[in-house]
Amino acid sequence: DAKTTQPNSMESNEEEPVHLPCNHSTISGTDYIHWYRQLPSQGPEYVIHGLTSNVNNRMASLAIAEDRKSSTLILHRATLRDAAVYYCILRDSNYQLIWGAGTKLIIKP
Amino acid sequence: GAGVSQSPRYKVAKRGQDVALRCDPISGHVSLFWYQQALGQGPEFLTYFQNEAQLDKSGLPSDRFFAERPEGSVSTLKIQRTQQEDSAVYLCASSALTGGVDNQPQHFGDGTRLSIL
Repeated sequence: DAKTTQPNSMESNEEEPVHLPCNHSTISGTDYIHWYRQLPSQGPEYVIHGLTSNVNNRMASLAIAEDRKSSTLILHRATLRDAAVYYCILRDSNYQLIWGAGTKLIIKP
Repeated sequence: GAGVSQSPRYKVAKRGQDVALRCDPISGHVSLFWYQQALGQGPEFLTYFQNEAQLDKSGLPSDRFFAERPEGSVSTLKIQRTQQEDSAVYLCASSALTGGVDNQPQHFGDGTRLSIL
């Protein structure tokens, strides 16, 4: 299974943009890049996913490098409620999500 | 509510006891997944159902773990003769379509926190 590498933690100020990086140098052509987040004491929550092109939704944007070996999740204006662990996951045609340890995002008021 | 519901929210059991954890997926969702999450780590896959069929149980850690979904909706994860290493959060997720290339997102419940004394 292709693996992802994320920083253990990041800090950001409230109401500022946040860029969460993810490296996936062994990604294959059919792997989708998925992002989930997990707030304390809750189950994971789907954020966004993409294959090659950048993607936007109401929660975030996903910027995918041209060679697809890295991607960045962008929260345009962080709030205290965005404090969570963010997981970058590669998913192929298999149904399984293979999770790493994620990035703990700390938002400072 | 319309989300995935898991019960109980917390479960404490003595070592050696059997436990049963319940998952109510989102109505109409074909696919159902169970994950185990240890403290400070990401979830780990346990098993996958498509309707009532258990298509993959490769992640179940031992034959003490058993999952079923007899009518293709509610699922139960059973752990027999519990051990201390079974202490974890058990997460259930469902998705709308079969879990192949559609890449449908998985919708998670808030989990059952199991503590084995």
